[in-house]
Amino acid sequence: SAVISQKPSRDICQRGTSLTIQCQVDSQVTMMFWYRQQPGQSLTLIATANQGSEATYESGFVIDKFPISRPNLTFSTLTVSNMSPEDSSIYLCSVTDNSNQPQHFGDGTRLSIL
Amino acid sequence: GQNIDQPTEMTATEGAIVQINCTYQTSGFNGLFWYQQHAGEAPTFLSYNVLDGLEEKGRFSSFLSRSKGYSYLLLKELQMKDSASYLCGTTSGTYKYIFGTGTRLKVLA
Repeated sequence: SAVISQKPSRDICQRGTSLTIQCQVDSQVTMMFWYRQQPGQSLTLIATANQGSEATYESGFVIDKFPISRPNLTFSTLTVSNMSPEDSSIYLCSVTDNSNQPQHFGDGTRLSIL
Repeated sequence: GQNIDQPTEMTATEGAIVQINCTYQTSGFNGLFWYQQHAGEAPTFLSYNVLDGLEEKGRFSSFLSRSKGYSYLLLKELQMKDSASYLCGTTSGTYKYIFGTGTRLKVLA
């Protein structure tokens, strides 16, 4: 399976600032996703990162708050903008080549906002 | 609507067998996944069922009944390291993945 490198692994940020999370895959993949997982909760899909076009956002998530880039088939970034304490969570990227295959997850970014 | 239900918590004894159930209601179905997630770590893939029946992989087995919207994950010969959350998730043919809230399994000595 693909090896996924997610950076940073954790960060503590000030309210009102923005943080960009990177997801690098060691092979080309068709689909890349960004999830949020709050403590004790399951995975919530933020958006699907589409190569060469705008990301597809799920209900409750907007581009202004979570801008996403995917310049090629091996890399994507998620920015958490104008952060507030409610954004404290684990953010995970995942990849798959088609919907008949499992997703594989990066190690996650543990984000705390003061 | 789309919904996945699984128990919140389960407790079992080392060496025992435990079955974690999952029921789902989704629009479009292209398979059911089980993931294991240890505290503070990313989910890791365990199994994938797209056809009815039992898939066995070592100590872990997963069962699917599409007509009943039901799956279970069976863990045999439980070990302490099996203490984790187990996530059930489904996918439609349009890359729509939905996950349940996860079942926290505690294995006791």
